[in-house]
Amino acid sequence: AQSVTQLDSQVPVFEEAPVELRCNYSSSVSVYLFWYVQYPNQGLQLLLKYLSGSTLVKGINGFEAEFNKSQTSFHLRKPSVHISDTAEYFCAVSTYTGGFKTIFGAGTRLFVKA
Amino acid sequence: SQTIHQWPATLVQPVGSPLSLECTVEGTSNPNLYWYRQAAGRGLQLLFYSVGIGQISSEVPQNLSASRPQDRQFILSSKKLLLSDSGFYLCAVDGAGNTIYFGEGSWLTVV
Repeated sequence: AQSVTQLDSQVPVFEEAPVELRCNYSSSVSVYLFWYVQYPNQGLQLLLKYLSGSTLVKGINGFEAEFNKSQTSFHLRKPSVHISDTAEYFCAVSTYTGGFKTIFGAGTRLFVKA
Repeated sequence: SQTIHQWPATLVQPVGSPLSLECTVEGTSNPNLYWYRQAAGRGLQLLFYSVGIGQISSEVPQNLSASRPQDRQFILSSKKLLLSDSGFYLCAVDGAGNTIYFGEGSWLTVV
């Protein structure tokens, strides 16, 4: 069975500073990896995804993530955050075992301070 | 593209009462469907997923059950609610590129 671990429950950061949200996974089969964002009082939106190919994927709002197979990680990064990036971020892992199944991490709350 | 309808949007139920949350999907056939719960201050927890009619996999032991009576209908139920069942319930469906799309969610408060 697969599992997803988001290593930080909360990440406070000042505006215009860089940020990295960490995500590690475990799986015995090939995986597809995703980051979702949930802004306050809103639903979940897809930020970016890794299905195959280049291990560095770029998403919306200036975010990017790198798939590291040897370290089983998919950390999310942004070189300069804005106040509007304050939200909860979820890492997700999807596997195919007769049907696709997606598991989410517990979430990381990013709080951007002025 | 898929459209997910989920209802009711909010409900307040007494402990011990039954529950039924319904989810229907449009714009796709034979989708993989999911029920997730987001409890206050916690992340998303996968409750059930279904790869077809009558095929339900339960991820965690709990007071809830799920059924899929039709290809694009997924129902979350409970015979007797507990206080700990309170939370935000999300129906979801796999989309193109294995992206998962979510419904608007149902806020359940058990009192």
